[in-house]
Amino acid sequence: DAGVTQSPTHLIKTRGQHVTLRCSPISGHKSVSWYQQVLGQGPQFIFQYYEKEERGRGNFPDRFSARQFPNYSSELNVNALLLGDSALYLCASSPSPRTTNYGYTFGSGTRLTVV
Amino acid sequence: GQQLNQSPQSMFIQEGEDVSMNCTSSSIFNTWLWYKQEPGEGPVLLIALYKAGELTSNGRLTAQFGITRKDSFLNISASIPSDVGIYFCAGDSRGQGNLIFGKGTKLSVKP
Repeated sequence: DAGVTQSPTHLIKTRGQHVTLRCSPISGHKSVSWYQQVLGQGPQFIFQYYEKEERGRGNFPDRFSARQFPNYSSELNVNALLLGDSALYLCASSPSPRTTNYGYTFGSGTRLTVV
Repeated sequence: GQQLNQSPQSMFIQEGEDVSMNCTSSSIFNTWLWYKQEPGEGPVLLIALYKAGELTSNGRLTAQFGITRKDSFLNISASIPSDVGIYFCAGDSRGQGNLIFGKGTKLSVKP
């Protein structure tokens, strides 16, 4: 079975640009969560989506937005990129929005570098 | 906001040694989780703890959920080179599907 798939794996953008990151959850998982992991830190929660609805939001500016599609895949969008947005962006999928144990699986992430 | 304090920040040990790391919080958590992350990969769950005082093992790994619900530790016995990686504690305080992570403990094992 395929795990959580994220694309692209690496990305370089210029300050002020916009970026879209994509995530395909494990088959049967209906909830997708996004995390930002800055180098040397633990992941920080950005968003959770379930059944196309936002179920949770972390402490991130409005430049960050996301959506979930009918097939449960998800996109994370970041506008007006700043140097500080450089990070590994992780997607986690789970069967339900309350799952945080062994059913909560992370992808390998997208490494975003803003120059 | 809630924060997890994880220590030590890094460890350099000899193969065969035991390792201990811990995590403390200013807030109560209902679930404590321990993850391992290797370069180029996302975190992989090692152990999940659900009850205060719970002690759970997974092979050479043992973790405990503190009785105050504000701390947890992870022990690795008889370390081997493939234990190398960054270990993170994470907490789920409200069962709402978002995790709070510590800053990680970087483990290096010398053969």
